[in-house]
Amino acid sequence: QVQLQESGPGLVKPSQTLSLTCTVSGGSITSGDYYWSWIRQPPGKGLEWIGYIHYSGSMDYNPSLKSRVTISLDMSKNQFSLKLSSVTAADTAVYYCARDPLFCSGGSCYSSWYFDLWGRGTLVTVSS
Amino acid sequence: SSELTQDPAVSVALGQTVRITCQGDSLRSYSARWYQQKPGQAPALVISGHNTRPSGIPDRFSGSSSGNTASFTITGAQAEDEGDYFCSSRDSGGNHVVFGGGTKLTVL
Repeated sequence: QVQLQESGPGLVKPSQTLSLTCTVSGGSITSGDYYWSWIRQPPGKGLEWIGYIHYSGSMDYNPSLKSRVTISLDMSKNQFSLKLSSVTAADTAVYYCARDPLFCSGGSCYSSWYFDLWGRGTLVTVSS
Repeated sequence: SSELTQDPAVSVALGQTVRITCQGDSLRSYSARWYQQKPGQAPALVISGHNTRPSGIPDRFSGSSSGNTASFTITGAQAEDEGDYFCSSRDSGGNHVVFGGGTKLTVL
């Protein structure tokens, strides 16, 4: 079955760029049936959607993070990635990659607005 | 602060029924989704909207909505239902996902 696995540095210094990769196994990132998302959870706190990308190039970001976020795809490696710039301690969190099924109707496709598959998550700490 | 508001904690006796609520203006227009998260694990989808359960989710889990409040109900709570429950929906503009702050469920 399809699995998602996050990878990347667990420690990032303040003001630097956080970079994470999500590897999709058991399925193709180019199937077109899903948006691929990043979500984070500060320790002991709630969830925050960061953004998504579709293999067609469509993407969207959380307005509160948009100026610092870039999400990209590497179809050759079946991976998608997150870059978050100018990090501070407030960006310390468990970062999850997740899958959002597309809902298609009348010739148009939309997010289903839910995440049916998640990676295990990776803790990223911002500290000097 | 979140656009969706949840009670921080709720408890229920084993075998009894418990309701977890989620309030927000966007819920008047958009349905809620519900996730269960156990310690050290990723969230798992339990209600995908309009009381739809993904495959493998117990039928004691259900969702409903009225006005600006969405509810998640467990009928006959089991010990394994302990964990954090998060609601999600769209933001007030309808363009992005937002989550509630989460409710910690304790089964006594």
